[in-house]
Amino acid sequence: QQQVKQSPQSLIVQKGGISIINCAYENTAFDYFPWYQQFPGKGPALLIAIRPDVSEKKEGRFTISFNKSAKQFSLHIMDSQPGDSATYFCAAASNTGKLIFGQGTTLQVKP
Amino acid sequence: DTAVSQTPKYLVTQMGNDKSIKCEQNLGHDTMYWYKQDSKKFLKIMFSYNNKELIINETVPNRFSPKSPDKAHLNLHINSLELGDSAVYFCASSHQGSPLHFGNGTRLTVT
Repeated sequence: QQQVKQSPQSLIVQKGGISIINCAYENTAFDYFPWYQQFPGKGPALLIAIRPDVSEKKEGRFTISFNKSAKQFSLHIMDSQPGDSATYFCAAASNTGKLIFGQGTTLQVKP
Repeated sequence: DTAVSQTPKYLVTQMGNDKSIKCEQNLGHDTMYWYKQDSKKFLKIMFSYNNKELIINETVPNRFSPKSPDKAHLNLHINSLELGDSAVYFCASSHQGSPLHFGNGTRLTVT
């Protein structure tokens, strides 16, 4: 049972474009929704996170949009750069602390 | 001064062998984790320890045994290795609900 569903599996964007990755969850007990960025040969690193009491959070070029009623959240990368090429994971956690990851999205930003 | 360090980075071994992966964190975190990332990059939690006490134990074969000698270390011992154990294993740590900090992974290849 996949509790966090992520799409698309892969994404190709031109430099300067907007990258959008979507996630949907099932468990209404989830109350923490982070996004992780992973480069080849490295571990995932926290990019940005949101809690369900807000509908949007922005940090630089990265924005999380959160729709609690639809149980969906998404990552927008504005002005995408080749250096953003990586695998992105959405995740969700409840107060148990167990982080459930989505399947990952491989982003390629073409120069 | 790596925050979460794992050794070895690569591990190649034959079926049936027993191997260990070590993890140390110098962040002063009280909770440590092992995650498995399969060939499709899917990340799945295996174990979680809080102050040396096991708090999360997912459905993992009992050939996998975590050991936490102190709250800065969480080692993973694997008995009777199988081909399907080939994956990248990530150690991570967190403190009182803070975001997970991941190590750079150990790529295990079973031949």
